[in-house]
Amino acid sequence: QSALTQPPSASGSPGQSVTISCTGTSSDVGGYNYVSWYQQHPGKAPKLMIYEVNKRPSGVPDRFSGSKSGNTASLTVSGLQTEDEADYYCSSYTGSSNIFGTGTKVTV
Amino acid sequence: QVLLVQSGTEVKKPGASVKVSCKASGYTFSNYDISWVRQAPGQGLEWIGCISPYNGYRIYAQRVQGRVTLTTDTSTTTGYMELRSLNSDDAAVYYCARGDPGSSSFDYWGQGTLVTVSS
Repeated sequence: QSALTQPPSASGSPGQSVTISCTGTSSDVGGYNYVSWYQQHPGKAPKLMIYEVNKRPSGVPDRFSGSKSGNTASLTVSGLQTEDEADYYCSSYTGSSNIFGTGTKVTV
Repeated sequence: QVLLVQSGTEVKKPGASVKVSCKASGYTFSNYDISWVRQAPGQGLEWIGCISPYNGYRIYAQRVQGRVTLTTDTSTTTGYMELRSLNSDDAAVYYCARGDPGSSSFDYWGQGTLVTVSS
């Protein structure tokens, strides 16, 4: 598999919620609780937002949450703010390597 | 604080090699992997490989296997990525990232190095 599948785009108004899906297989997303999510603003390096499916690094607002069901992981951003407008990528461990998602552009 | 500082922009001809460095500071270098990720213009992220500074264990993505070599220098806390036989598909921003072996996530990233491949 070359990449995990994400929707190309998602949008919401300020204060609303948006959920992004990340679909893989039993060899990656479904096989391990090692799914992470990254936020990337234009011209910047990615930033870790969620690791191990649903854990937040220090400093990441609790508006960001993660979950997983079967071969699909999800990132939810609640209470959308204008600074949340960015590209979001999921990533999963595959047993021997890592694989990224195709990316989702979130518009606020 | 944790910092990863990468070397500057590279312009290479097709068939040439490039070596990008990643100077780490602010943490115990041997306790975390160094991973490399690239992003072609307007495209998504692609994992290239990772290396453990502790024991030198490394693993590469199939797509670049045989053309890429990852190394580390623990005396200078620097990671290196060398990519050989460059072609136009290798033109991208290359990032190094600190990898947490326990969670398979990348918690700190370098600023990125632009590699241009042009005749």
